[in-house]
Amino acid sequence: DIQMTQSPSSLSASVGDRVTITCRAIQRINTYLNWYRQKPGKAPQLLIYGASNLHSEVPSRFSGSGSGTEFTLTITSLQPDDSATYYCQQSYNFPWTFGQGTKVEI
Amino acid sequence: QVQLQESGPGLVKPSETLSLTCTVSNGSISNFYWTWIRQSPGKSLQWIAYVQDNGRTDNNPALKNRVTISLDTSKKEFSLRLMSVTAADTAVYYCARVRVIRGFSRIDFWGPGALVTVSS
Repeated sequence: DIQMTQSPSSLSASVGDRVTITCRAIQRINTYLNWYRQKPGKAPQLLIYGASNLHSEVPSRFSGSGSGTEFTLTITSLQPDDSATYYCQQSYNFPWTFGQGTKVEI
Repeated sequence: QVQLQESGPGLVKPSETLSLTCTVSNGSISNFYWTWIRQSPGKSLQWIAYVQDNGRTDNNPALKNRVTISLDTSKKEFSLRLMSVTAADTAVYYCARVRVIRGFSRIDFWGPGALVTVSS
């Protein structure tokens, strides 16, 4: 299985801050990397697919970058609605695997 | 916009079989993969299995061949069976849709989730 590791595990930031979350894969996965946001008690929601493509109706303050083994999710101008846990997921091969999550508190 | 809804027992006894169904509405079954993912309390997400619209399936080897996934296109439903459950299978189970374009897969719509507790 391809292990995915996120850092940090949690962070605290203020409204308007720029936040960056890193996801590392144990092997190269090209750009087969997706990002999700999960609000408490809710299902995850797709934010970014293919490492850098914004899913429909996702605000433009979210962006993704990276290729190979290292990826980042950036949130510019953090909003109260962004308080959630963020997960990366590789779709390079099966079984698909997720990172352990990064909890963002505002 | 497509909607998914999980249904099934919320309590299963140890060693028995967990059965869940996902109903798809406001969208087509064709040209997508359909998948189950679970999340144990306070933990990350674990992919369980998928079924393609042509019936082809794959599942997570970590679940040691306890998994069966199936699709009923006429009812627009897909189902999960997980045999020989233990307390470690207690989780919120999500059904979801997978969109695959040019080899890139993403899980673009999720059901709200169903909590299944394994306990006697």
